[in-house]
Amino acid sequence: GDSVTQMEGPVTLSEEAFLTINCTYTATGYPSLFWYVQYPGEGLQLLLKATKADDKGSNKGFEATYRKETTSFHLEKGSVQVSDSAVYFCALSDQGTSGSRLTFGEGTQLTVNP
Amino acid sequence: DTEVTQTPKHLVMGMTNKKSLKCEQHMGHRAMYWYKQKAKKPPELMFVYSYEKLSINESVPSRFSPECPNSSLLNLHLHALQPEDSALYLCASSQEGPPSRNSPLHFGNGTRLTVT
Repeated sequence: GDSVTQMEGPVTLSEEAFLTINCTYTATGYPSLFWYVQYPGEGLQLLLKATKADDKGSNKGFEATYRKETTSFHLEKGSVQVSDSAVYFCALSDQGTSGSRLTFGEGTQLTVNP
Repeated sequence: DTEVTQTPKHLVMGMTNKKSLKCEQHMGHRAMYWYKQKAKKPPELMFVYSYEKLSINESVPSRFSPECPNSSLLNLHLHALQPEDSALYLCASSQEGPPSRNSPLHFGNGTRLTVT
């Protein structure tokens, strides 16, 4: 079945540091890939997505590229801020007989210190 | 501000109580979802409604009973819950029904449920 593996957290960085959160996936079909972010006390928000190989998703300074050859979708940001502290979930969506469903990674807790 | 509204934000209930969680969206989305999220874990899918019909039930115990009265509303009726059911319950919606792989989910902020 489908699965998503994220780098283990937690990750702690200083403000303005470079961020990479690794994500690799296993899927039988041609999935779409997503990064969701969950701030404390809130639900999940879509951060960015990519629907086919070599697509790059980007939003709020974050970006991730859909790499079919390495089955990866790593999240990067050049300069993190304290306000980026949150839990980040990588997810894939593959088409099933009842419609698609999301498969989430375990999540990576990011803390950015001033 | 989230476009998926969930009420109440917090709920404490005893094991013999009956309560309901409510979810509302006005984006014209055709698929709606219930997820359960335990602390420090990803959300787990419980139910999916597509065009107001139940399309996916992930073998959820019958003490959880979903209802979709119309295309904008989704309820989750709770009865005889156990303490291990304490969790954050998230509602979500997506544009297409049946859900499309390209259609992202829009989540509400959840109801924090505690079963005593």
